[in-house]
Amino acid sequence: AQSVTQPDIHITVSEGASLELRCNYSYGATPYLFWYVQSPGQGLQLLLKYFSGDTLVQGIKGFEAEFKRSQSSFNLRKPSVHWSDAAEYFCAVAPNQGGKLIFGQGTELSVKP
Amino acid sequence: GAVVSQHPSWVICKSGTSVKIECRSLDFQATTMFWYRQFPKQSLMLMATSNEGSKATYEQGVEKDKFLINHASLTLSTLTVTSAHPEDSSFYICSASSATSSYEQYFGPGTRLTVT
Repeated sequence: AQSVTQPDIHITVSEGASLELRCNYSYGATPYLFWYVQSPGQGLQLLLKYFSGDTLVQGIKGFEAEFKRSQSSFNLRKPSVHWSDAAEYFCAVAPNQGGKLIFGQGTELSVKP
Repeated sequence: GAVVSQHPSWVICKSGTSVKIECRSLDFQATTMFWYRQFPKQSLMLMATSNEGSKATYEQGVEKDKFLINHASLTLSTLTVTSAHPEDSSFYICSASSATSSYEQYFGPGTRLTVT
């Protein structure tokens, strides 16, 4: 069965510091991978997605993620965090484009001034 | 990007009553809508998938007679929680997708249901 694990429940980083949020997935084939951000009062927003091709994916708001098949990982990174990045981040996997999304537990990001 | 709205954003109801939550795609026609449930500090769990004009497909463990889903048009899906109980209190989120959006799911802001 498909599953997604986000090992870090809560991460705190200083503003301007780099960020890496971890995501590991379990799936038999190459899955469709996503990162979403959830801010209070707003719907989940898609940051980036990976279907195939270049394993380093660029997204919105300066985020990027790298697909590593050998590690079954799809970690999210940002070189310099802004206070407005404080939110809940979810990694998700789907068997195909438009398929059911399976979400990880989420990582809450806090940003220190 | 496409916009999905939910109404109401917050609702309180008494135990035993029913409550309806609306999900609307405002600027595109959604052939498929999804309903999720999210407990505090937890992940989103898919409850059901609905295609316009068809019966919803429920995930294992979700009571279809309790969580009634209707997707009567390409811009509206409703979730009715029937005979609500306190354990139904949760955050309900919908998403919408279509072929024209490359099947990307666009999420609504969610509805907070509190059953007293």
